[in-house]
Amino acid sequence: NAGVMQNPRHLVRRRGQEARLRCSPMKGHSHVYWYRQLPEEGLKFMVYLQKENIIDESGMPKERFSAEFPKEGPSILRIQQVVRGDSAAYFCASSRQGNPYNEQFFGPGTRLTVL
Amino acid sequence: QKEVEQNSGPLSVPEGAIASLNCTYSDRGSQSFFWYRQYSGKSPELIMFIYSNGDKEDGRFTAQLNKASQYVSLLIRDSQPSDSATYLCAGRAHSGGGADGLTFGKGTHLIIQP
Repeated sequence: NAGVMQNPRHLVRRRGQEARLRCSPMKGHSHVYWYRQLPEEGLKFMVYLQKENIIDESGMPKERFSAEFPKEGPSILRIQQVVRGDSAAYFCASSRQGNPYNEQFFGPGTRLTVL
Repeated sequence: QKEVEQNSGPLSVPEGAIASLNCTYSDRGSQSFFWYRQYSGKSPELIMFIYSNGDKEDGRFTAQLNKASQYVSLLIRDSQPSDSATYLCAGRAHSGGGADGLTFGKGTHLIIQP
């Protein structure tokens, strides 16, 4: 399967726990984007990464959220001390290059539920 | 503040007719525009993207861009019940530090009536 992969597909956490979401881009893609979709709301950009670099994190909440894309392995979105308002679908997308004329392809998403 | 506006619908279209979906954007720096289809509970699926003024056709789909009016549209010809979904319009700008993430509208819910 050459598509964008995300795991886990569903994640349940209690308030105060940590959530780690993983994303492996499509083969040949080195640009990764994370988006969040809250219930009944649109998709919101969070962060854009290349290998070992955060390019744009203008959409990331200032506290508790972090992202990385190491030289080896998947990109990880980390949410510390989760709260109920973090319950959402988190989507990862990837593109071959980072310019505006490249398509972004989405993974299946991770649905986070905070109890 | 970058915004992409869409009519939330629902937009109801008879099977076989043309469905017309519209989108306006506020950021004149937006370079390219994307249409995604999202079924309930699923991830967005790319349908088309456009970055030049005018029309771009792919099968039953035609994307239209008018940068002067800051307007993007998607036409779906010969609508099928399987086209029933939420259609998301997104724009992407290129800022000094590189391209930005996609700015999405809230989507238009399209219903194709058999």
